[in-house]
Amino acid sequence: DVKVTQSSRYLVKRTGEKVFLECVQDMDHENMFWYRQDPGLGLRLIYFSYDVKMKEKGDIPEGYSVSREKKERFSLILESASTNQTSMYLCASTEGETQYFGPGTRLLVL
Amino acid sequence: AQSVTQPDIHITVSEGASLELRCNYSYGATPYLFWYVQSPGQGLQLLLKYFSGDTLVQGIKGFEAEFKRSQSSFNLRKPSVHWSDAAEYFCAVGVKDNFNKFYFGSGTKLNVKP
Repeated sequence: DVKVTQSSRYLVKRTGEKVFLECVQDMDHENMFWYRQDPGLGLRLIYFSYDVKMKEKGDIPEGYSVSREKKERFSLILESASTNQTSMYLCASTEGETQYFGPGTRLLVL
Repeated sequence: AQSVTQPDIHITVSEGASLELRCNYSYGATPYLFWYVQSPGQGLQLLLKYFSGDTLVQGIKGFEAEFKRSQSSFNLRKPSVHWSDAAEYFCAVGVKDNFNKFYFGSGTKLNVKP
């Protein structure tokens, strides 16, 4: 069974804090993705990674960075959180042509 | 550029009634097509997918979808809706150029009346 996990379901952070969102998959997938989801906007791609230490910007990378030191783990970093980064963050990994999602992290930045 | 359109933002159906959710895509070749469902506060769960072959595909929870190349559509259907089907549904296109990027529609929120 495909399994993608995210370290937190809910997070509350303050403006200016550095925030780490962790995603782990146990299926040896090469491609991993970070999206944010906002009402009426659907899913927007922030970054994706196609191998260890490899990353590509998605459609909305500003204010975010990522890290992939091990194949199973893909981290999203908010260097200095801002209120407009309050959102639902979804991680996914790809098996063949199919994308599988984690349960999401709902982040509130105060 | 690739795009996915779900023209209905909200749909309400009665329990036991049939359902059709619309999805249109824009892509130069035959894409990989997906439907996902998202319950409140949850991630996205894969319902079904189409890559090639038979244009009518069956998925989980009694859902099916039909690929119509002439209409660039991939509509999701269910003959009899259950209250537990209330959720948000996303259509997605997978593009096999560079690391399998995906494009998502903005979602259709389904309400089910008792």
